[in-house]
Amino acid sequence: KQEVTQIPAALSVPEGENLVLNCSFTDSAIYNLQWFRQDPGKGLTSLLLIQSSQREQTSGRLNASLDKSSGRSTLYIAASQPGDSATYLCAVIDSNYQLIWGAGTKLIIKP
Amino acid sequence: EAGVAQSPRYKIIEKRQSVAFWCNPISGHATLYWYQQILGQGPKLLIQFQNNGVVDDSQLPKDRFSAERLKGVDSTLKIQPAKLEDSAVYLCASSLLSGNTIYFGEGSWLTVV
Repeated sequence: KQEVTQIPAALSVPEGENLVLNCSFTDSAIYNLQWFRQDPGKGLTSLLLIQSSQREQTSGRLNASLDKSSGRSTLYIAASQPGDSATYLCAVIDSNYQLIWGAGTKLIIKP
Repeated sequence: EAGVAQSPRYKIIEKRQSVAFWCNPISGHATLYWYQQILGQGPKLLIQFQNNGVVDDSQLPKDRFSAERLKGVDSTLKIQPAKLEDSAVYLCASSLLSGNTIYFGEGSWLTVV
């Protein structure tokens, strides 16, 4: 059974730092992986989707990587800003198109 | 392009009452999802539709929850009777097809007192 883990559960860094959020999964037979952002009181916003055949995807200051063999994905945020403060969730989509979610990492960027 | 629309945004009801949530997905999206998210946890899939057919409802508490997607567009999620543990945000999402990028609505926040 696929399990998705995000560590740490919370992270606080000063503004301007580059940072990495981690997502690990137990079964490498995935269809794709998607990173989301959730602001308090809001729904989820899709950030990046990585197909299983891809190694990384970039959007602005965000870069997501995927290493299926090790069961890991990372979300790299460059030059962090207070507006990046949110909870970041990753979800693995398996071969049956079912989403398996991590519990998220709550990120706080200190001005 | 309009996003996923949900209503109501907030609802407070007493236990044993009923509530219904409505979702209008992005135009043309065949796949529609209803998720339950409890504070501090990841979303839990309640039901997934492909057009107007159910793909997965294995985690839907069918004794009290029901959902339908008539004509393969809008969807409603109903809870009757509500329990205290149903207090959560109910998220509707859609994708063009299963496995594509998923887009979420703002959520419907339910408090059962």
